[in-house]
Amino acid sequence: GEDVEQSLFLSVREGDSSVINCTYTDSSSTYLYWYKQEPGAGLQLLTYIFSNMDMKQDQRLTVLLNKKDKHLSLRIADTQTGDSAIYFCAESGTGGFKTIFGAGTRLFVKA
Amino acid sequence: DAGVIQSPRHEVTEMGQEVTLRCKPISGHDYLFWYRQTMMRGLELLIYFNNNVPIDDSGMPEDRFSAKMPNASFSTLKIQPSEPRDSAVYFCASSLRRGVGANVLTFGAGSRLTVL
Repeated sequence: GEDVEQSLFLSVREGDSSVINCTYTDSSSTYLYWYKQEPGAGLQLLTYIFSNMDMKQDQRLTVLLNKKDKHLSLRIADTQTGDSAIYFCAESGTGGFKTIFGAGTRLFVKA
Repeated sequence: DAGVIQSPRHEVTEMGQEVTLRCKPISGHDYLFWYRQTMMRGLELLIYFNNNVPIDDSGMPEDRFSAKMPNASFSTLKIQPSEPRDSAVYFCASSLRRGVGANVLTFGAGSRLTVL
């Protein structure tokens, strides 16, 4: 079945870049997503990438996709304390209806 | 739009009691999803609806769980009888699908359930 894996924790200093990594198993994944969850809140979409792309940039966020290795990464430039949150990688297949989430990576930003 | 509205935000109940969680999706969205979040299992998809019709309930853990969507603006997730292992945060999310495009989910704030 589909599986999405992420490391659980990442700690960076304010102003540094953060790179959160994710691997997935479903080769038919069509869209890959990054969601952010702040304490006590629901998940919020940050960005997504179509599987025929290898990079997408949106302000401080850069998504890299290596489809051959089924590896997705999210780079946050100039990380701020407000970026402290849990970041979820997710994928949906051709049908697109079921979105499968990873366990989430908790990002700590030290001032 | 006020976003996806869930109630209650917090529920504490005793084992064996019935629990009903409620969700109001974003107006015009045609898909509704129920997820459960725990430390041990992460975010699990329980069931989803399209145009009020349940499409896939393979994630519903047991017969004690049931979900309904009587109309486009309301859905419930019911647990009867509840057990301590049902303690989790339950999220409702909705989306508007256009063709075979991305499934962008809008989540509610969640309902935190504690079963004693």
